[in-house]
Parts: sequence; C-alpha cells; structure tokens
Amino acid sequence: QKEVEQDPGPLSVPEGAIVSLNCTYSNSAFQYFMWYRQYSRKGPELLMYTYSSGNKEDGRFTAQVDKSSKYISLFIRDSQPSDSATYLCAMRGAGSYQLTFGKGTKLSVIP
Amino acid sequence: DTGVSQNPRHKITKRGQNVTFRCDPISEHNRLYWYRQTLGQGPEFLTYFQNEAQLEKSRLLSDRFSAERPKGSFSTLEIQRTEQGDSAMYLCASSLEEQETFGSGTRLTVV
Repeated sequence: QKEVEQDPGPLSVPEGAIVSLNCTYSNSAFQYFMWYRQYSRKGPELLMYTYSSGNKEDGRFTAQVDKSSKYISLFIRDSQPSDSATYLCAMRGAGSYQLTFGKGTKLSVIP
Repeated sequence: DTGVSQNPRHKITKRGQNVTFRCDPISEHNRLYWYRQTLGQGPEFLTYFQNEAQLEKSRLLSDRFSAERPKGSFSTLEIQRTEQGDSAMYLCASSLEEQETFGSGTRLTVV
C-alpha cells in the first residue's frame, strides 16, 4: 500500500461546477498537508498549505483535513477552464524535509 | 526575482553519458530540494540541502547520482552513466521555511 493514495482520474466537469479532489494516507506521522496545481510541462504550484484538522479557505479553494480518518480534500467552487490541470496532494511529517506526493488527479473544466 | 530557475529545460542524451542539471533557487531561500517525476506519477523526493549541507538523501539517489550546493547558492544534480530508466522530469524547489516553490523542471530523455 502506498503511503498516499489519490485517484488519478481523469475528472471532467462543466464550467461553474464544484470540484472535489481527495487523498487518503496511511502514515499517521504526516502533520503538514498541501495541495499543488501542475499545468502541463510546468512545475507544481502551491495552492493550499495546512497543518491542522478542519477547513481552510482561500478564494474559490477550500482545503479540508481529517486526521482521524487520514483523509484530505480540496474543493474548487465555480470552476473555470483555467483550473484545468493536474492537482497533487502532498504531505510531510514533523521534523522531515521531504514531501510525499499523491499521483495527482487530472482535471478538465469544460466551457 | 523570477522564482526558481532550472537549466536546461530539456536534455536528450545517449545511454551511458553523464548529464548535469543546474538549479538557481529564490535568492533568500536557504532550503533546496530535488525531486524526480515520471509520467503519471507525483514527484518523488531525491535530496535536501540546508545552505550548503546535504542533510537528507532518498534511497532513490543511487551511486550514479550526486548533488552539490557549493556556497549555499545554486545547486547541481549530476547523473553518471545514464540509463533509460533515468528518463524523467527533474524538479528543483526552494523554501525559506516549509512552503516549497518549485521550478519548471528539466526534462531528461535517455535514448
């Protein structure tokens, strides 16, 4: 079993839809949780960073962490065609320098 | 400051040749990371520098791989005797604390 599981999709939604992206993890040492967006042939771009259970909102994006269930989510409201990209979850343990990434979910938002 | 810069963007090499990639981090960032990403997968951690000290190395970093960060500024990643399995995107990231900024990567193709 991989430490971080993420459904690779692809996921296709109409413009304006609410998108839900999810990851599960098995390592209870993970304390810091991130969501990255990666466009084709580009490096990952940090979208959300959180270290506690609960919700964190930034504009159209909401990150949700449930440490008891080892489950994290990213919600995108009012999705736009420019949101079409691969979304990667990533996490790190306390005192560790390395990020462990999921495989990424490829999202297409159709106009 | 234009972010994390990686050169070259693309590299095609013959099996058995040596290659070297360069990463210029964001100037005030003391932390520097190398990751490798293959098609359809999330990035995998290779190594971490704090200033000029290499503090963490993944078991993925075989003896053919070496990384340096002289004077705590730019970093180089060298792969000796390249193999076809080395074909991947090599990503560099830097940070001041815990939120990494990634470069656009160097795409290596070994033929």
